[in-house]
Amino acid sequence: TQLLEQSPQFLSIQEGENLTVYCNSSSVFSSLQWYRQEPGEGPVLLVTVVTGGEVKKLKRLTFQFGDARKDSSLHITAAQPGDTGLYLCAVYNNDMRFGAGTRLTVKP
Amino acid sequence: NAGVTQTPKFQVLKTGQSMTLQCAQDMNHEYMSWYRQDPGMGLRLIHYSVGAGITDQGEVPNGYNVSRSTTEDFPLRLLSAAPSQTSVYFCASSSGDITNQPQHFGDGTRLSIL
Repeated sequence: TQLLEQSPQFLSIQEGENLTVYCNSSSVFSSLQWYRQEPGEGPVLLVTVVTGGEVKKLKRLTFQFGDARKDSSLHITAAQPGDTGLYLCAVYNNDMRFGAGTRLTVKP
Repeated sequence: NAGVTQTPKFQVLKTGQSMTLQCAQDMNHEYMSWYRQDPGMGLRLIHYSVGAGITDQGEVPNGYNVSRSTTEDFPLRLLSAAPSQTSVYFCASSSGDITNQPQHFGDGTRLSIL
């Protein structure tokens, strides 16, 4: 069983649609990070959330940390082809742990 | 800025061969780490270092060695390659507290063991 469960594993949508992806755990964390990875490249940090219930916005991306600090969600409004990529959540739990990711494809 | 540089980008090895994956960063970061990425399993931490002369094991350290003689370099050694080590390997660095500071990743080394 993975420490972080991400869902869905795959998501394919049309340009302009909204979507939400999830990162869940049974453990409590002091912070949680979201990364995006494009093919052939390493992951790039999008945001770090540290407070239970915290909401952070990055243009069309909205990140929320659960009240109990066990889970997080990423909502994308009006998705664009440039949002295509692998979205990974990560936490520090004695060392860095990543979820398996949600692979998002946005079709034009 | 070069950031984190990994070499080689691609490598094919035979079972039992040894090799070293190179990682260099020019940001004067203290924290460096190695991950492997396999389909459906995300990134798994192999080894990490919090500064020159200090290394520690991550989640999947078996079959790999590391050393950190300088702040800039953090090579990963495969002592006797096995097919199970076929993967994409990423090196990352961070300036400080990795719980709230970004890790900067290289573009990866794609390794196939035959």
